[in-house]
Amino acid sequence: GNSVTQMEGPVTLSEEAFLTINCTYTATGYPSLFWYVQYPGEGLQLLLKATKADDKGSNKGFEATYRKETTSFHLEKGSVQVSDSAVYFCALSAAPRTGANSKLTFGKGITLSVRP
Amino acid sequence: DTGVSQDPRHKITKRGQNVTFRCDPISEHNRLYWYRQTLGQGPEFLTYFQNEAQLEKSRLLSDRFSAERPKGSFSTLEIQRTEQGDSAMYLCASSSPWLAGDFGELFFGEGSRLTVL
Repeated sequence: GNSVTQMEGPVTLSEEAFLTINCTYTATGYPSLFWYVQYPGEGLQLLLKATKADDKGSNKGFEATYRKETTSFHLEKGSVQVSDSAVYFCALSAAPRTGANSKLTFGKGITLSVRP
Repeated sequence: DTGVSQDPRHKITKRGQNVTFRCDPISEHNRLYWYRQTLGQGPEFLTYFQNEAQLEKSRLLSDRFSAERPKGSFSTLEIQRTEQGDSAMYLCASSSPWLAGDFGELFFGEGSRLTVL
């Protein structure tokens, strides 16, 4: 079946530090890949996405590249801010574009805390 | 666009009671999903509707759980005879494959937190 594996957390960084959050996946076919973020007291919101191999998703200074050869979609940011403190979820959709159920399969999530 | 709304935001109940959650999706979205999220875990898929038809149910959805979307708009998730293990955040999401392409993006509500005592 489809699955997403995220690195263990939590992660605590100082402001302006470099961030990498690892994500690998198992899926048949050609999934779409997503990073969702959950800020304290808020619902899940899409951070970025990539729909095919070698695509790079980017938003708010975050980037992730769809690597089919390593089945990975690692999230990076060059300089984190206190406002980036949140829970980050990697997810995949295994049946995009076909009209079939595009349900998401999520990783466990990782909590990021950024110190001033 | 008012986003996905869920009600109530928090429900505390005693074991054995029934509870019902409501989800109002984004109005032009024809797909609606229910997920469950427990502490320290990612959201887990429960069930999915396309318009009013319930097309898929997870094995997580026991017989005590029932979901409906009678007119293809709002949806309800009912849990009968609640158990302490049902305590979780219940998330609703919606999507539309005909808006900006279907790449599997879901739009989530803020969730309904259930606490079973």
